[in-house]
Amino acid sequence: DSGVTQTPKHLITATGQRVTLRCSPRSGDLSVYWYQQSLDQGLQFLIQYYNGEERAKGNILERFSAQQFPDLHSELNLSSLELGDSALYFCASSGGLGYNSPLHFGNGTRLTVT
Amino acid sequence: AQSVAQPEDQVNVAEGNPLTVKCTYSVSGNPYLFWYVQYPNRGLQFLLKYITGDNLVKGSYGFEAEFNKSQTSFHLKKPSALVSDSALYFCAVRVILTGGGNKLTFGTGTQLKVEL
Repeated sequence: DSGVTQTPKHLITATGQRVTLRCSPRSGDLSVYWYQQSLDQGLQFLIQYYNGEERAKGNILERFSAQQFPDLHSELNLSSLELGDSALYFCASSGGLGYNSPLHFGNGTRLTVT
Repeated sequence: AQSVAQPEDQVNVAEGNPLTVKCTYSVSGNPYLFWYVQYPNRGLQFLLKYITGDNLVKGSYGFEAEFNKSQTSFHLKKPSALVSDSALYFCAVRVILTGGGNKLTFGTGTQLKVEL
């Protein structure tokens, strides 16, 4: 068990809808990362937060947004959903901004857009 | 751009035999390299990392990796494979971004199949 909790595990929704994915990092970890995993794109970095502030942005669509709250949990909001957004979304956390710290991943949220 | 490549989509090995999963990297400066394993419907589990120091890095579940600067490689190894090692393996490199952020950039993954 990595200590990173993601909810829900599965989400099925229709095109055009909006969903929120939630992540609780490991106790004491200040950095949260969001990744998307799909068969055609592999593992894609979306965004990083550190102690409530956005620190890095990757291939995140404008329809997607995220935030990290004062208690350090994070939410990824996906709106105007399209079929191509169906994927596994992972949250990961690490202790700080140290570059030698591994990321610890949750078990992911599987999003299916119909 | 900092990247890693995993040249094999799948590796098959018999139980009890040594296994190697290959990874090469392209990095400017000192590389921070990682290996992860993913079992079906699960998240990625950290196996080991190379930051600096000894070229042979030992990790979880009996895995080790050899850092080779001249060949820009970071191959994952295990002396004796188990059926339970069958999973998807990812090599990754830490990328430092402007603004103080960072990310892990992953390879495409190698499916390891260990057969009896």
